[in-house]
Amino acid sequence: AQTVTQSQPEMSVQEAETVTLSCTYDTSENNYYLFWYKQPPSRQMILVIRQEAYKQQNATENRFSVNFQKAAKSFSLKISDSQLGDTAMYFCAFSSMDSNYQLIWGAGTKLIIKP
Amino acid sequence: DGGITQSPKYLFRKEGQNVTLSCEQNLNHDAMYWYRQDPGQGLRLIYYSQIVNDFQKGDIAEGYSVSREKKESFPLTVTSAQKNPTAFYLCASISPQGHSEQYFGPGTRLTVT
Repeated sequence: AQTVTQSQPEMSVQEAETVTLSCTYDTSENNYYLFWYKQPPSRQMILVIRQEAYKQQNATENRFSVNFQKAAKSFSLKISDSQLGDTAMYFCAFSSMDSNYQLIWGAGTKLIIKP
Repeated sequence: DGGITQSPKYLFRKEGQNVTLSCEQNLNHDAMYWYRQDPGQGLRLIYYSQIVNDFQKGDIAEGYSVSREKKESFPLTVTSAQKNPTAFYLCASISPQGHSEQYFGPGTRLTVT
C-alpha cells in the first residue's frame, strides 16, 4: 500500500525568506503523480503544483518549485520569496491510475509566514 | 463559472439524525470523491464514484452512504450509525483529461451534538 509522510508538523519563516517542506512516499508503482495542495484558513483545498513521475524535470509554478527524487522517493516543496498569503496547511499527496486516482495524503505541514 | 459547490457551509444536527451533504459540479467530470478531515489531520477517503450509478467504499465508509444518480451530483448521507460524525467534509472531482489532479469544493463543516 502507498503511504505519504510529512515529517514537519509545523514550520515558520520570515516574510521574503525561502522555505522547504519535506515529503517522502512509498510505492511499488512506476507511474504515478505527486501533488502539493495548500489549505489556507478558509479551508478551501488549492492545488499548488503537480509532478508526473515519468518526468525527470522538476515542476515549477512561479515561486513554487519541487525537488523530485524518484529513487529516494522524496518530493519536497520550495517556496521562494515567501509571502504572508502563503500561511496555510500544506499537504503532499500521491495518486496513480492503478489506484483509480485515489489521493493518498500526508498529515500536512502548518506553515506560518511571519511579517 | 465552472466549479464544485457544497452546501451548506455549516450544518448542525442532533445525535441520532441522518443528514445529507450536497455536492454539485458543472465541470463535466466523471469521477467524484468524498473526504473527511479532522482537526490537524489529513484527508481520509469516504466514498468515490467513477461513473453514474456506480460507487465504491473508501477507507472509512462505515456510517456513511452515497448515491450517484446524475453525473453532476454526488450527495453524502451521514447516518446515525456514524459514531463520530462531527468533522469537515470535502467533495472533489477529477478531470478526465488526465493529470489526475482533483478539484475541491469549499467544504461543509458538520457539527453533531
